[in-house]
Amino acid sequence: KQEVTQIPAALSVPEGENLVLNCSFTDSAIYNLQWFRQDPGKGLTSLLLIQSSQREQTSGRLNASLDKSSGRSTLYIAASQPGDSATYLCAVGIGTDKLIFGTGTRLQVFP
Amino acid sequence: DTGVSQDPRHKITKRGQNVTFRCDPISEHNRLYWYRQTLGQGPEFLTYFQNEAQLEKSRLLSDRFSAERPKGSFSTLEIQRTEQGDSAMYLCASSSQAGSNQPQHFGDGTRLSIL
Repeated sequence: KQEVTQIPAALSVPEGENLVLNCSFTDSAIYNLQWFRQDPGKGLTSLLLIQSSQREQTSGRLNASLDKSSGRSTLYIAASQPGDSATYLCAVGIGTDKLIFGTGTRLQVFP
Repeated sequence: DTGVSQDPRHKITKRGQNVTFRCDPISEHNRLYWYRQTLGQGPEFLTYFQNEAQLEKSRLLSDRFSAERPKGSFSTLEIQRTEQGDSAMYLCASSSQAGSNQPQHFGDGTRLSIL
């Protein structure tokens, strides 16, 4: 059974810091890995999708890497801003593209 | 592209009542997914459709739950005889095709509270 773990569960940093959020999964037989952002009381916003054959994806200040063999992904956020405050969820796509989610990292960036 | 739309945003009902939620996917997305999210947890997969066919259901989906997508466009999720444990955010997502290169796009969810 695929299990997804995210560390840390919560993170509070001053504005301007570079951050690394970690995601690990137990079964390397995945189709893709997706990082999402969730604001309180809202749905999920897709940030980055990495296909199983890829090593990383970048969008603006975000960079996500994937190491399938070790069952790990990281989301790197450069020059963090207060607007980055949210919960970040990692999800692996398996089988017919259903997603298995971790429990998220709750990020607070203070001015 | 108007995004995935879910209705209602909030639903408060008494235990034992039936509730129905609606999801309108991004137009021309042929795959539609339902997930459930409880406080402090990540979403959990419930079921998905390719066009009008329901192809997979999670064991989380008890016989009190039923989902339909009659014309391959919008979908409904009905919960009969609601229980307090059904209180959660119900999220709908859609994607354009099978395969590994298409992200799932989520709606803002329906928050269900059972009194």
